[in-house]
Parts: sequence; structure tokens; C-alpha cells
Amino acid sequence: DVKVTQSSRYLVKRTGEKVFLECVQDMDHENMFWYRQDPGLGLRLIYFSYDVKMKEKGDIPEGYSVSREKKERFSLILESASTNQTSMYLCASNLAGPRTDTQYFGPGTRLTVL
Amino acid sequence: AQTVTQSQPEMSVQEAETVTLSCTYDTSESDYYLFWYKQPPSRQMILVIRQEAYKQQNATENRFSVNFQKAAKSFSLKISDSQLGDAAMYFCAYRRTGGGADGLTFGKGTHLIIQP
Repeated sequence: DVKVTQSSRYLVKRTGEKVFLECVQDMDHENMFWYRQDPGLGLRLIYFSYDVKMKEKGDIPEGYSVSREKKERFSLILESASTNQTSMYLCASNLAGPRTDTQYFGPGTRLTVL
Repeated sequence: AQTVTQSQPEMSVQEAETVTLSCTYDTSESDYYLFWYKQPPSRQMILVIRQEAYKQQNATENRFSVNFQKAAKSFSLKISDSQLGDAAMYFCAYRRTGGGADGLTFGKGTHLIIQP
């Protein structure tokens, strides 16, 4: 079975803290993604990665960075958390290739920044 | 840039009836994918159905089917014989084809309520 896991379902942090959100997939997928989900806004792409140590900015990268040291793991980093980063964060992955398309999602991490 | 619009923030349907969720999109590409994802309350986002733009035939998956109108850039989801378990947020999404990694562009979602 396809599986994408995220390190925490719920997380509470203080303003200014450095926050790490971890995502692991066991499907040997090349591509991994981080989305942010807010009510009334849908999901928006923050960053994605198509290979180890490779990354590309998505639509809303400001305030975030990412790390991909191993193929199966993709981390989202909030260098200095702010209250406007309170949100649900979803990780996804899929295979590389000209006609591969379906992304598989993790359960999400609901982050609250106080 | 591509955009995806879901004009119905919320829909309600009686159990066992049929409901249609609307989605329109804007793109200059000729080949792409369209998706409907379902997100039940506090649960994982799962794929309901996908459509490849070059295929004229509408995709179907059991009680779920789409009406894909490429010229009109419309991609609606029909759920037949609605069940209580269908209650969820439904997101329409777009992705262009190609070998590189590409994120999905999502609509804002439609909250589907099933009335028993």
C-alpha cells in the first residue's frame, strides 16, 4: 500500500521558534511536495523536490525552506515561526515520468503558532 | 498561470440522491490532468477520480463520474446514490503533463453535506 507519513498530527509552537515538519514516503517516489491548506483558500504549493538535494519554489515559499537529504524524506522548515503560519500542512509524493500524475498525500500536520 | 475555480463553497444532498460539484479551470496548455480529491473530516486526502485531457471519454469510478468539457474548461463531478460516507471536502485540481515535478493547482473546495 502507498504510504506517506508525517511526523506529527498536531503541533503547537511559539512565535520565533524554528519548526521542522517531517514527511516520509515508502514508495520510492522521486517527487515530493509541501502544501499549505487554509479554509476558503484550498491547498497552495510551498515547495517541491524532484530528487535528493534538489528543490524548487512553489507559489508561496516566503518564510519557509526545505531539506531533502534522503529520497524518502522531505522536511519543511519554518526558520522563525509567525502566527500567520498557523495552518494545516500536507505532504505529498509521486513518481517521476512523463505521464505519472497521481499524488499521494500524508495525513497532515495542524500547526498552531502562538 | 493556471487557476481552478470551484464556485460552490457548500452543497447539501439527501442520502441516495445524485449531486454534481462544479469546477472550471483556466490554462493555455493543451495536455494536462484534472483530478477530484476527497478530504473527509480529520482524515487523509484521497484521490476520487482523474481525467487526462487528451482522452475524450469521461472518467468513471463506481458511483463517481465526471463531465469533462475541454472547450469550456469545465470538469464537474457527479456522485450518484450519495452515501453518508461521501460527506467531505472535495477539491478539484489541475496539473500539466510533462516529465518534471509539478505541483497541483487546487480549487478552494466544496463542502459536501449528506442529509440522512
